[in-house]
Amino acid sequence: EAQVTQNPRYLITVTGKKLTVTCSQNMNHEYMSWYRQDPGLGLRQIYYSMNVEVTDKGDVPEGYKVSRKEKRNFPLILESPSPNQTSLYFCASSFMSSGIIDEQFFGPGTRLTVL
Amino acid sequence: KNEVEQSPQNLTAQEGEFITINCSYSVGISALHWLQQHPGGGIVSLFMLSSGKKKHGRLIATINIQEKHSSLHITASHPRDSAVYICAVPFWGPDKLIFGTGTRLQVFP
Repeated sequence: EAQVTQNPRYLITVTGKKLTVTCSQNMNHEYMSWYRQDPGLGLRQIYYSMNVEVTDKGDVPEGYKVSRKEKRNFPLILESPSPNQTSLYFCASSFMSSGIIDEQFFGPGTRLTVL
Repeated sequence: KNEVEQSPQNLTAQEGEFITINCSYSVGISALHWLQQHPGGGIVSLFMLSSGKKKHGRLIATINIQEKHSSLHITASHPRDSAVYICAVPFWGPDKLIFGTGTRLQVFP
């Protein structure tokens, strides 16, 4: 089954404790992206990757790191989480068609609370 | 100023009504995405379109590149269409997306 998986689905942590949210897709997509969703602000892009070893900043990259060592995986790393990173996080992937992002497949979301 | 504006923000309808959700954007784009977010939180991509019109079942999306405007139509709406509908466009390049704040649709039987 074609899917994007994220783990964990729910996480409560404390300020400053490093954490990683994993994202994996099984569709051989070139493009992968991380978004956060906050009430009243909607979805905002954190980081994206056009292919292995190619990553770039989205709208709100501060406080986050990513890596793309394999095509299927795109982990999101919070080196020192702060309460303002409490949010709902989505990973998504898609093909690129003629340089355009195709229809995206979204993971189920990770609800993160930083105390 | 928001680069992507959706209207209306909230919409209620009776089952069977024709629904229109609008998305306007301020930058030149190569394509526009429509997404659906279910009440449980999951997000599904409905359309990616770069010109003209696309149709999937009761959903129709249109785009006018010159007028920087897209519409999402739902024919014969049903309570299961109740969701938040979000449009997204590439910004500063084809690979970076910005999103509208969404239109919350509730369809009553």
